[in-house]
Amino acid sequence: GEDVEQSLFLSVREGDSSVINCTYTDSSSTYLYWYKQEPGAGLQLLTYIFSNMDMKQDQRLTVLLNKKDKHLSLRIADTQTGDSAIYFCAERYDKIIFGKGTRLHILP
Amino acid sequence: DAGVTQSPTHLIKTRGQHVTLRCSPISGHKSVSWYQQVLGQGPQFIFQYYEKEERGRGNFPDRFSARQFPNYSSELNVNALLLGDSALYLCASSLRGVEKLFFGSGTQLSVL
Repeated sequence: GEDVEQSLFLSVREGDSSVINCTYTDSSSTYLYWYKQEPGAGLQLLTYIFSNMDMKQDQRLTVLLNKKDKHLSLRIADTQTGDSAIYFCAERYDKIIFGKGTRLHILP
Repeated sequence: DAGVTQSPTHLIKTRGQHVTLRCSPISGHKSVSWYQQVLGQGPQFIFQYYEKEERGRGNFPDRFSARQFPNYSSELNVNALLLGDSALYLCASSLRGVEKLFFGSGTQLSVL
């Protein structure tokens, strides 16, 4: 069945790069997404990648997709305190399925 | 332009009651999706509507129902509330399908 797995917690020093990883199960997924959720807020679409791409870069964000291993990662360069949030990986086939989220904690 | 708006922001109900949650999509968006987010979990898909027709339904009991109006706004109804229905209910709109979802801030429902 459909499932998206991600680690629950990541702690990174301010100014370092953050790498959040995700694995998914549906090889028919057409789009893969990264959403950000800050406390008390809804989800904000950060970036997405088509399944026929390997990489996408958008300012400080880099998404890498390994279709063979069904592995998706999000790299945030120069992590700032404002990046502290929960990051959700999601895949889309006929509907969008979310992982449980990775809480990113920024150390001073 | 306004984003996705949901009302109310918070709601407290008791077991057995019913609740109606409302959502207005981004102007020009014709599809609305509903998600349930239990504390500490990712959002779970409940429904998707496009052009007033149900296009998808998640693994939720028949106590959950929804509809979409001609102006593309939507309501989510939950009958016979259970304690386990306590969650953040998120509405998301998209132009047509579910390629890119834009979420509202959600309605926090507490069932006592």
